[in-house]
Amino acid sequence: KAGVTQTPRYLIKTRGQQVTLSCSPISGHRSVSWYQQTPGQGLQFLFEYFSETQRNKGNFPGRFSGRQFSNSRSEMNVSTLELGDSALYLCASSQGSWGLAEAFFGQGTRLTVV
Amino acid sequence: KNEVEQSPQNLTAQEGEFITINCSYSVGISALHWLQQHPGGGIVSLFMLSSGKKKHGRLIATINIQEKHSSLHITASHPRDSAVYICAVKTNFGNEKLTFGTGTRLTIIP
Repeated sequence: KAGVTQTPRYLIKTRGQQVTLSCSPISGHRSVSWYQQTPGQGLQFLFEYFSETQRNKGNFPGRFSGRQFSNSRSEMNVSTLELGDSALYLCASSQGSWGLAEAFFGQGTRLTVV
Repeated sequence: KNEVEQSPQNLTAQEGEFITINCSYSVGISALHWLQQHPGGGIVSLFMLSSGKKKHGRLIATINIQEKHSSLHITASHPRDSAVYICAVKTNFGNEKLTFGTGTRLTIIP
């Protein structure tokens, strides 16, 4: 069974640009959640999608958004990039809502904003 | 004060030693997770707990709901156990958000 796939693995963007990250969950998993990891703040929850609906959202500004498609693949978008958005972005998939089911993580997308 | 506190922040031990990492939380939870993150970023889910104790190989995780405390133990530690171990809780109220500890960096010396 293929694991969670995130693309791209590395990305360099300029301040003010926007970026879209992609996450393909394990087949059969309906929940996809997104996380930001920085050296200063550690891991922080961004949002969770389940069957195309946003179920939970963390404390991030509206520049961070996401969506989930009918095949459970998910995308995360960050608009008007700031230097502080440089981070490792991780997604995880699970059969049920994570927290109540085991999650499987992708390798992450490392975003650098210059 | 963070809702999830881990200790110690850093731990260095000799191969073969018994390792204990602690996690304390201050909120009501539905479940607690232990995660392992190796250099390069990949995260592996080790345990999900809502009560009692779980064991997988050389790893044991316990949780005490009344004391709001969980421990992760590693027996017969090995250099390949070197990683960052992260505790995460799912709160059982409001937004039911996921909150992470800051992690414990474990280094096992051969």
